[in-house]
Amino acid sequence: DTAVSQTPKYLVTQMGNDKSIKCEQNLGHDTMYWYKQDSKKFLKIMFSYNNKELIINETVPNRFSPKSPDKAHLNLHINSLELGDSAVYFCASSRNDRGTAFFGQGTRLTVV
Amino acid sequence: AQSVTQLDSHVSVSEGTPVLLRCNYSSSYSPSLFWYVQHPNKGLQLLLKYTSAATLVKGINGFEAEFKKSETSFHLTKPSAHMSDAAEYFCVVSLNDYKLSFGAGTTVTVRA
Repeated sequence: DTAVSQTPKYLVTQMGNDKSIKCEQNLGHDTMYWYKQDSKKFLKIMFSYNNKELIINETVPNRFSPKSPDKAHLNLHINSLELGDSAVYFCASSRNDRGTAFFGQGTRLTVV
Repeated sequence: AQSVTQLDSHVSVSEGTPVLLRCNYSSSYSPSLFWYVQHPNKGLQLLLKYTSAATLVKGINGFEAEFKKSETSFHLTKPSAHMSDAAEYFCVVSLNDYKLSFGAGTTVTVRA
């Protein structure tokens, strides 16, 4: 069973569109994250949620809106997509702020 | 503030020879330290972690890392490289504050 699963794995869309990436974890963790990996493979935190509450919003544009309907899910909605949003987005979860983070397989977003 | 510096952007080794990936961190507090591996077009997999127990940490696939507080280093080693070790390796620091700080990554290539 996949511990942290993201859908879709690949997403190609036009500028200006709105899209969502879904993430689910079956590990019973309290904390979930979204990370962005750029074309140089650098990974940076975007959001952290703990027990469905936003803990960290790391200067991400307002076009990005995470939503956590329950502790097992953290979805990422992106409005008015721009070329610079092209990247690989990783979801992760951990037991708490001290726990090891487990990552999903990533979603490769390409904006054309 | 915390930061992570991976001293080598690219390491090339021959199969069967040792691998050394260097990582230095800066932190005002005692951090948790991790090494993650990312194979091409895959997610991030935890290799090992240090959380203030033994300073020599053994991980999966024959990897180990040594925490040296005096040098603020957490270098990753493997005695004998295998072709399957070709991947991107990330040194990661956590201050238990709901986010991980990633190094820029080291690309490992293994020559037959």
